[in-house]
Amino acid sequence: GAVVSQHPSWVICKSGTSVKIECRSLDFQATTMFWYRQFPKQSLMLMATSNEGSKATYEQGVEKDKFLINHASLTLSTLTVTSAHPEDSSFYICSASPDRVISPLHFGNGTRLTVT
Amino acid sequence: QKEVEQNSGPLSVPEGAIASLNCTYSDRGSQSFFWYRQYSGKSPELIMSIYSNGDKEDGRFTAQLNKASQYVSLLIRDSQPSDSATYLCAVLSNFGNEKLTFGTGTRLTIIP
Repeated sequence: GAVVSQHPSWVICKSGTSVKIECRSLDFQATTMFWYRQFPKQSLMLMATSNEGSKATYEQGVEKDKFLINHASLTLSTLTVTSAHPEDSSFYICSASPDRVISPLHFGNGTRLTVT
Repeated sequence: QKEVEQNSGPLSVPEGAIASLNCTYSDRGSQSFFWYRQYSGKSPELIMSIYSNGDKEDGRFTAQLNKASQYVSLLIRDSQPSDSATYLCAVLSNFGNEKLTFGTGTRLTIIP
């Protein structure tokens, strides 16, 4: 089946630094990628939707200047958490779709971010 | 009112019994419904999708949808310890603003 690769699987960083998370679709061209965040014992919350070659669409309450999303190719999207703070510690999960609507199948394995 | 609601559990079921997981949603225009299984520290894995009223069976899993009641459920027959996980209900909102909205999940524990 289709595979979405996410890297790194976990990262620990110091407060104030930036962290980049990569999401790759390995066997299909991902026109659209979605970034979710999941805090402990909570559900997945959509942060933003990115379409290849255009600016990402952010959900209400998500700071676009803090969570930078780049979707420069059909197989790669990156999420950069800038000036990370302990409250940004969470499980970040990407999802990829071959078209501009949501395909519920293809999730990455997630990245556990811990900010100290 | 939350858009997608689930009992958080934990729900404990003896091995071999039927586990019943429930979900309600608020958007009457929702068209597509999904159940995901999420093991601790892992990302969700799609196990069932359902689009029309009634039952849909796949192996030990049966999804049930009642759009009039805005209710979707998942039954797991012959529960196994490996079924112990958090089960997330997700709803795809209506056309033109498609967004997958997740419930908070129900933690299921199968007792050997």
